[in-house]
Amino acid sequence: DQQVKQNSPSLSVQEGRISILNCDYTNSMFDYFLWYKKYPAEGPTFLISISSIKDKNEDGRFTVFLNKSAKHLSLHIVPSQPGDSAVYFCAASALGQGAQKLVFGQGTRLTINP
Amino acid sequence: NAGVTQTPKFRVLKTGQSMTLLCAQDMNHEYMYWYRQDPGMGLRLIHYSVGEGTTAKGEVPDGYNVSRLKKQNFLLGLESAAPSQTSVYFCASRKDRSREQYFGPGTRLTVT
Repeated sequence: DQQVKQNSPSLSVQEGRISILNCDYTNSMFDYFLWYKKYPAEGPTFLISISSIKDKNEDGRFTVFLNKSAKHLSLHIVPSQPGDSAVYFCAASALGQGAQKLVFGQGTRLTINP
Repeated sequence: NAGVTQTPKFRVLKTGQSMTLLCAQDMNHEYMYWYRQDPGMGLRLIHYSVGEGTTAKGEVPDGYNVSRLKKQNFLLGLESAAPSQTSVYFCASRKDRSREQYFGPGTRLTVT
């Protein structure tokens, strides 16, 4: 049972344009959501997060939107840069469940084309 | 600070062999986690620890054992390796009252 899903395995975007990565979840107990970025042969690095009490969080070029009624979140990158090419993982956690363990989606490989 | 480090970076095992993966963190974090990453499946939690001397099972614990004898170290053991355990293994840690986990660089394990 995949509680967090990223339905797009890959996404290709032109440099300078907006990249939109999507994530859906099924567990209504999730109250905190994170995005991680992963380069080849490296560990995931934390990018941005959002609590369920908010619907938007912005950090520079990165914005995460949360739609609780649809159980959907998205990551917007504007403008996209070549260094943004990586695999992006969406993750979710629930307060009080398993030491707030993270449940990850399958990942989306983002390629930024010059 | 080195953050989260993992030893070794690569390893090839034959079926039935055993090995231990070492994770160390220098951030004084209470919580530590072991994940495996397989193509198309994201990261799946194997075992985790909420503090020194404690461990708990995650989503895919079968075939693995763990120990947390010291706060800064979290060991993942494979007693009898199987080809299905071919994967990339990541260790992570986090501090109390924070949800962000910090990951190590990973160990690529191949079981033939």
